[in-house]
Amino acid sequence: QQQVKQSPQSLIVQKGGIPIINCAYENTAFDYFPWYQQFPGKGPALLIAIRPDVSEKKEGRFTISFNKSAKQFSLHIMDSQPGDSATYFCAASIEIQGAQKLVFGQGTRLTINP
Amino acid sequence: GAGVSQTPSNKVTEKGKYVELRCDPISGHTALYWYRQSLGQGPEFLIYFQGTGAADDSGLPNDRFFAVRPEGSVSTLKIQRTERGDSAVYLCASSSRGWRTDTQYFGPGTRLTVL
Repeated sequence: QQQVKQSPQSLIVQKGGIPIINCAYENTAFDYFPWYQQFPGKGPALLIAIRPDVSEKKEGRFTISFNKSAKQFSLHIMDSQPGDSATYFCAASIEIQGAQKLVFGQGTRLTINP
Repeated sequence: GAGVSQTPSNKVTEKGKYVELRCDPISGHTALYWYRQSLGQGPEFLIYFQGTGAADDSGLPNDRFFAVRPEGSVSTLKIQRTERGDSAVYLCASSSRGWRTDTQYFGPGTRLTVL
């Protein structure tokens, strides 16, 4: 119930392509869905986030699509660049005393080839 | 401004030893979180502080793990009688008020290796 399942585990895309990373959850108490980007040796950094009352959110080249009824959400990266090569984590948030408790997916290692 | 800092960046210890991992959150952030990230996995929640108090410690795996934040800023994660299975990267994050949509800012982590 507390899990967030992420796929694929790894993804290789040519520069300019549109990688898509998918996540699914079971717990309907989750109410906030951020995506994090992590480079080797660094901590995760927030990329983009969405609330369940919105079906899509776009920030620059990054778009989240959210399907509440299916309990699935995905990240699309438009015009991907080699600098986007990193590990991406989806997460789902549940409230604890007014704050976030994040449950992370297993991560997707994305490689963008030049 | 300065981000979340963690020390040491790497810690190698022997099985059975005691270790302390330190987190300096962003100045003024009242909420602080500890996570553990095993190789090839996503971060796993350990404990959340709001100010000086641990509001949720449900992620601590057992009583060998303990964390404090005595003055509401710096936090220390303490692990007693370390085991090889404790080897992981321990991440700290802070957010400004701890509200549900506040961004959590992560530090670079401490890589703990238990031999």
